[in-house]
Amino acid sequence: AQSVTQLGSHVSVSEGALVLLRCNYSSSVPPYLFWYVQYPNQGLQLLLKYTSAATLVKGINGFEAEFKKSETSFHLTKPSAHMSDAAEYFCAVSPSGGYQKVTFGTGTKLQVIP
Amino acid sequence: DADVTQTPRNRITKTGKRIMLECSQTKGHDRMYWYRQDPGLGLRLIYYSFDVKDINKGEISDGYSVSRQAQAKFSLSLESAIPNQTALYFCATSPGQGLSDTQYFGPGTRLTVL
Repeated sequence: AQSVTQLGSHVSVSEGALVLLRCNYSSSVPPYLFWYVQYPNQGLQLLLKYTSAATLVKGINGFEAEFKKSETSFHLTKPSAHMSDAAEYFCAVSPSGGYQKVTFGTGTKLQVIP
Repeated sequence: DADVTQTPRNRITKTGKRIMLECSQTKGHDRMYWYRQDPGLGLRLIYYSFDVKDINKGEISDGYSVSRQAQAKFSLSLESAIPNQTALYFCATSPGQGLSDTQYFGPGTRLTVL
């Protein structure tokens, strides 16, 4: 069984401030982990993914995430928020070792305040 | 042009009506998926298909059926729509190249069942 918990359904940050979106996972086997972003009225698009290579993963638009096995976490960060970062962000997990469906978290809406 | 398209983008219907949502892709991917998104619940998998002859139920398939007419087309049907099927529906594709498949999402169909 696998699951993802995103702490905080809404997060507000000031423009230029650090963005930190939290994701904790549960998986009985080594996981693959993903962050997707959904802009208003659009489908989801991949920000970054972890597939057991480097634990620090860099994605698009200046985002990065660090896989921490001891903490079962995969938090998403960006040093300086832009207005264009306002969107909903989804963490997702998939077990490695054979096709398994991807399980999505419930999402975190990021608001960027000017 | 969008790689994954969905029609219609918005639909309002009445309880008991049959509804079909269509998805087309030009990415050449074998794998296709249907998800529904509800506020606070994230994305939940309805059906997925690895190729034209391989269709599988997801976690919430009751009340839904699908048809994979061709590699590029995957339709979702609600045989007799009910109000709790009001949701945002997404089609997605993936290349099936490995175990860490990135999924590519369409823009979504907003369905309202009165």
